Amino acid sequence: EAQVTQNPRYLITVTGKKLTVTCSQNMNHEYMSWYRQDPGLGLRQIYYSMNVEVTDKGDVPEGYKVSRKEKRNFPLILESPSPNQTSLYFCASTSGLDYNEQFFGPGTRLTVL
Amino acid sequence: SQQGEEDPQALSIQEGENATMNCSYKTSINNLQWYRQNSGRGLVHLILIRSNEREKHSGRLRVTLDTSKKSSSLLITASRAADTASYFCANSGYSTLTFGKGTMLLVSP
Repeated sequence: EAQVTQNPRYLITVTGKKLTVTCSQNMNHEYMSWYRQDPGLGLRQIYYSMNVEVTDKGDVPEGYKVSRKEKRNFPLILESPSPNQTSLYFCASTSGLDYNEQFFGPGTRLTVL
Repeated sequence: SQQGEEDPQALSIQEGENATMNCSYKTSINNLQWYRQNSGRGLVHLILIRSNEREKHSGRLRVTLDTSKKSSSLLITASRAADTASYFCANSGYSTLTFGKGTMLLVSP
């Protein structure tokens, strides 16, 4: 089954404790992206990757890191989480952004205390 | 911000009625996509309309695009309770997809 998986689905942590949210897709997509969703603000892009070893900032990259060492994986790293990073996070992938749909993961609900 | 604005923010209708939601951008629209999200779950792609198209249909969905007004609309006809969800437009470019803030649709039986 074609899908994007994320782990963990739910995470409660404390300020400053480094964490990684994993994302994996099995569709051989070149493009992958991370979004955060907050009430009243919709989805905002954090980082995206056009291919292996190619990443770039989205609209709200501060406080986040990503890496793309393999085509299928695109982890999101929070080196020192803060309460304002409490949010719902989505990973997505597509074969071509312009004319193709993005496939979204199920989401990771993160709470930073 | 290049983020899209959607109108209305929330819409409540009865089953069988039509639902119309609108989306506008301050920047030019390339190809416009619509997505649906059920209560905090991942988004699901509904339809894509290309910049050179003015109208597109898919089942009970009808999408229009006016690039001169930088706006699009999504019409859901003969709505069902199962259509209850949030709907997002997204302006797709070469490297990014810029979403609107969404319209919450509630369809009551």
